[in-house]
Amino acid sequence: GAGVSQSPRYKVAKRGQDVALRCDPISGHVSLFWYQQALGQGPEFLTYFQNEAQLDKSGLPSDRFFAERPEGSVSTLKIQRTQQEDSAVYLCASSLKRTKQETQYFGPGTRLLVL
Amino acid sequence: GENVEQHPSTLSVQEGDSAVIKCTYSDSASNYFPWYKQELGKGPQLIIDIRSNVGEKKDQRIAVTLNKTAKHFSLHITETQPEDSAVYFCAASMKGSARQLTFGSGTQLTVLP
Repeated sequence: GAGVSQSPRYKVAKRGQDVALRCDPISGHVSLFWYQQALGQGPEFLTYFQNEAQLDKSGLPSDRFFAERPEGSVSTLKIQRTQQEDSAVYLCASSLKRTKQETQYFGPGTRLLVL
Repeated sequence: GENVEQHPSTLSVQEGDSAVIKCTYSDSASNYFPWYKQELGKGPQLIIDIRSNVGEKKDQRIAVTLNKTAKHFSLHITETQPEDSAVYFCAASMKGSARQLTFGSGTQLTVLP
């Protein structure tokens, strides 16, 4: 079946612009995670949804970052007033259940470059 | 919070040889340890995982070992092939409400033909 998809795959923004990154998780997956991956580094946790509820946003680096999942499926990560340090790959992952550690399936990521 | 350290950062092996990547974690509450393979331009793909109630797990050419006392775990790839070349990440997760993964910094594995 279809895996996690993300769009756009690449985004170039001028400093100060707002961007919106989309994630389509695997159908039926309850949990959805956003991670940020800087060049040459491992992914770092940003935020977590269980269905439509955002249960953990402790990894969001500033109040310019906002995520939502209004109907418990598609999620959007929005970055306002982008800065150069926001340049990274943004990864979305989903997992089936919420009751124990389940495999997180990752999408291909959105590569964001802020000029 | 959890901290995961991974070594080495780069590893080159001859085709057919074995490769070993090691990780340590800081929080004894961590109880789930997946390994991901990431190819250029793609998202991480799970290759194997281990839970804290198990000391070793094997899947064909790949094995993972866990030492809870020392808080370290390792990935072993035997009979390496050129298609094993990629960046490998270890990760740790604690039982809790979010179960987010804390990743190591990655190992670039190159298998030389």
